[in-house]
Amino acid sequence: GAGVSQSPSNKVTEKGKDVELRCDPISGHTALYWYRQSLGQGLEFLIYFQGNSAPDKSGLPSDRFSAERTGGSVSTLTIQRTQQEDSAVYLCASSLPGLAGGGQGQYFGPGTRLTVT
Amino acid sequence: GIQVEQSPPDLILQEGANSTLRCNFSDSVNNLQWFHQNPWGQLINLFYIPSGTKQNGRLSATTVATERYSLLYISSSQTTDSGVYFCAVSGSARQLTFGSGTQLTVLP
Repeated sequence: GAGVSQSPSNKVTEKGKDVELRCDPISGHTALYWYRQSLGQGLEFLIYFQGNSAPDKSGLPSDRFSAERTGGSVSTLTIQRTQQEDSAVYLCASSLPGLAGGGQGQYFGPGTRLTVT
Repeated sequence: GIQVEQSPPDLILQEGANSTLRCNFSDSVNNLQWFHQNPWGQLINLFYIPSGTKQNGRLSATTVATERYSLLYISSSQTTDSGVYFCAVSGSARQLTFGSGTQLTVLP
C-alpha cells in the first residue's frame, strides 16, 4: 500500500514568514510523529500524536512550532515567524498503536526540506 | 533519556567487501530499528529488531538486548549500499532516539 507522504518536498521561505508542512500517514496507522534533521543536531523528535489523546509536545524547540492532526489522519506542522536556524529536513513517521509501533516500528515519509533565507 | 552511539562514524569499502556496523544504547528498549538514508534523504526501513537476529538478502542484524548493543552486517557490498545507516531506539517513550549514523561509501 501507499507509504507516508509529505508535502511540499521543498520549501524556501523568507525569515519571519509562517510555513505549513503536511503529512499523510499510512492508512490504519494511528500514531504519527514529526522529527527534524539538521546538520548540527542530527535527527531529533518534535511531537507525537496517538489517536485522540493529547499530543506529546516535549520535543518542540520553541512556541513558534505547533502541530495539529485532523480526524486522526493528516497532520500539519506549523512554524511561525521562521528563523534561519529552522532550516532543516522535517520528517514525518507513522506506526501502528502501542509500544514499538505494534511490533513493526515506525515508517518515514520522504521529508520536507525547509530553507529559511 | 536513552543514549545511542554508533560506530564507526565513517566506513569506506571496496565493492564486494563485508562490513559490520555497531549500535550501543544506554537503557532497555522496546524498539530498535535500522535505517538506510539514501542520497535523496529518504529513511528506508531495514530492520525492526529489538532482540534476536534477522536476515534480509545481503543484510542481517543481531540485537543482544541484555548487553545493549545491535550489529548490522552487510555482505558483498555494492555501490548502491552507500549512504548513511542509522540505528534508532525507543524505551518507555514512544519516540525514537537516533544515533549519529555511519556514513558508508562503497567504491567500485
